[in-house]
Amino acid sequence: GAGVSQSPSNKVTEKGKDVELRCDPISGHTALYWYRQSLGQGLEFLIYFQGNSAPDKSGLPSDRFSAERTGGSVSTLTIQRTQQEDSAVYLCASSRSTGSGANVLTFGAGSRLTVL
Amino acid sequence: KNQVEQSPQSLIILEGKNCTLQCNYTVSPFSNLRWYKQDTGRGPVSLTIMTFSENTKSNGRYTATLDADTKQSSLHITASQLSDSASYICVVSAQAAGNKLTFGGGTRVLVKP
Repeated sequence: GAGVSQSPSNKVTEKGKDVELRCDPISGHTALYWYRQSLGQGLEFLIYFQGNSAPDKSGLPSDRFSAERTGGSVSTLTIQRTQQEDSAVYLCASSRSTGSGANVLTFGAGSRLTVL
Repeated sequence: KNQVEQSPQSLIILEGKNCTLQCNYTVSPFSNLRWYKQDTGRGPVSLTIMTFSENTKSNGRYTATLDADTKQSSLHITASQLSDSASYICVVSAQAAGNKLTFGGGTRVLVKP
C-alpha cells in the first residue's frame, strides 16, 4: 500500500482481556518496528522485524507482549491479560532495510489502546 | 545508556516568528540523527536526517544543524505557520545497533495567530 496501515485505530478493552493490533507495512519494506507512546511521553521501542524474524525483542515490557510477522509483510502485536498501564498508542513503522545507513521510517497512524 | 534529551518540553510562538528546538544525545557510536514532526493523533513524519559529516540540512522552512563533537542538534523553524503546531521529535541511531533508534521526549510547539 501507499503507507503503513494500522488497525484498529481505537480499541477499548477491559482489564484482563487479550488484544491484537495489526500493522500492514509499505510493500517492499523488509524492516518493521513496533513502538509504544504513552500520553505525553516519548516513543518506547518494543520490537523490530527483519523479514519474518525478530532480532531484537528487548523492548517488550513483559511476557504478556508478543509479536509475529508472516510472509515478510503483516505483523500482529498481541497483548495478553491487558493491564491499565498498557493503555497507550501503539505505533508501527517500516523501512526499506536495516543497518546503520540513513533509512527513514514511515510510521502508521497508530492504534490507541484504552484498558478500563 | 543511550539517551536523547530535548528542550524545551513545550513552547508557544506567534505566527510568523522563528523558533529553535534543541536536542542533546549520548548515543554512541553515532550513526545518524533525525528530526520527526508528529501532528496530534498521527504517526511521526520525517523532516530531516543527518549523518556524522553533515552540519546543516534544510527542508523548506525547517533547518537542522548537527555538532557531532558536542553531540548537539537543533531544529530551526523559520516564519512559523499555524500548521507547524505539532510535536518535534529528535531520534538518534547508533551504529551496529540493528537500527534500534533512541527517541527524545519531543518538544510540543504551539503556533498562535
